[in-house]
Amino acid sequence: ELKVEQNPLFLSMQEGKNYTIYCNYSTTSDRLYWYRQDPGKSLESLFVLLSNGAVKQEGRLMASLDTKARLSTLHITAAVHDLSATYFCAVNLGSDGLTFGKGTHLIIQP
Amino acid sequence: DTGVSQDPRHKITKRGQNVTFRCDPISEHNRLYWYRQTLGQGPEFLTYFQNEAQLEKSRLLSDRFSAERPKGSFSTLEIQRTEQGDSAMYLCASSLEGWNQPQHFGDGTRLSIL
Repeated sequence: ELKVEQNPLFLSMQEGKNYTIYCNYSTTSDRLYWYRQDPGKSLESLFVLLSNGAVKQEGRLMASLDTKARLSTLHITAAVHDLSATYFCAVNLGSDGLTFGKGTHLIIQP
Repeated sequence: DTGVSQDPRHKITKRGQNVTFRCDPISEHNRLYWYRQTLGQGPEFLTYFQNEAQLEKSRLLSDRFSAERPKGSFSTLEIQRTEQGDSAMYLCASSLEGWNQPQHFGDGTRLSIL
């Protein structure tokens, strides 16, 4: 059974700081997705990582994938309040249904 | 592109009643997915369609749950004889066919069982 674990599950940080969210998964997969969810809202696709060593950046967010370590990271640079949200990683395992982590609840304080 | 649309947004019902939710995917997307999300958890996969064919069902999809996509466009998810444990947010997503395509989610239907 595929398991996806995120760390930390809760993070409070100040604006301007850098931090990294980690996503580990238990079975080999070469497709990993990052989503953002605001309270009461649906999930917004952030990144699709499709191969070992893939790195994608959008604004202050950068995601990477190491398929050998079964690890993805989401790095936040110089955080701003608008990035406060819950971030999910999700993995495909052969089938097309995604297996999600529990999410990282991120609060960025001014 | 109006995005994935779900109806209703909220549903409150008594235990034992049947409920049906509707999902309209992004128009050119031929894949459609149903997920369930409870508070503080990530979404859990229930089932998916490619066009009108239901290709995969999770073991979470008990026999009280049925999903259809009769014409390969909108989909319905029905829950019969609802139970307290069915209270959750039911999310629909759609995507283009292809192993590298992200799934786009709707706003969900929040189900509350009294």
